[in-house]
Amino acid sequence: AQKITQTQPGMFVQEKEAVTLDCTYDTSDQSYGLFWYKQPSSGEMIFLIYQGSYDEQNATEGRYSLNFQKARKSANLVISASQLGDSAMYFCAMRESYNTDKLIFGTGTRLQVFP
Amino acid sequence: EAQVTQNPRYLITVTGKKLTVTCSQNMNHEYMSWYRQDPGLGLRQIYYSMNVEVTDKGDVPEGYKVSRKEKRNFPLILESPSPNQTSLYFCASSFSIRGVTGELFFGEGSRLTVL
Repeated sequence: AQKITQTQPGMFVQEKEAVTLDCTYDTSDQSYGLFWYKQPSSGEMIFLIYQGSYDEQNATEGRYSLNFQKARKSANLVISASQLGDSAMYFCAMRESYNTDKLIFGTGTRLQVFP
Repeated sequence: EAQVTQNPRYLITVTGKKLTVTCSQNMNHEYMSWYRQDPGLGLRQIYYSMNVEVTDKGDVPEGYKVSRKEKRNFPLILESPSPNQTSLYFCASSFSIRGVTGELFFGEGSRLTVL
């Protein structure tokens, strides 16, 4: 079974608008961490934001925020005021406390920002 | 500058010709890992290392070898490459993964084509 599911293969958003990229996860672990990475066309993986399962507040980093709904097992990334440079592939990932030796990645969402 | 460096960045080779992808980090990280990225599959872990001389298999280790003789280096070895190993490879490192926090720092990726 997929541990991390990103159901949107591609998304379009107009510049300066907000966009939400969906991520749902599956774990029976009580302690886990959720990560979002950005992969521009140049290929590198850039860490964006982290949310711990026990964190009560949603994580925020500049224009990025994580809409964490624990009961629904979702960890959606919200990008506010989109910029052309936000066009990239975005990956959601999880680390579980009983298997901390790896991040489990979703299949990614390709975001295109248009003027 | 803190970084994870992979070489080569691009390589085209032929079936059966042994190759090594080098990875070096300058952050004194204990943990290092190799992932491969394939379209529609996200990133999957190949091997990881918790420290010098400590390595273990990830989810897709077949056809690969690793070694960790020094803390900073974690080379990926393909003894007899096959076309199904054509992929984008990432080396990643982290201070420690005891617990669910701690993002991975990724290298720029190595695009390998096996003919």
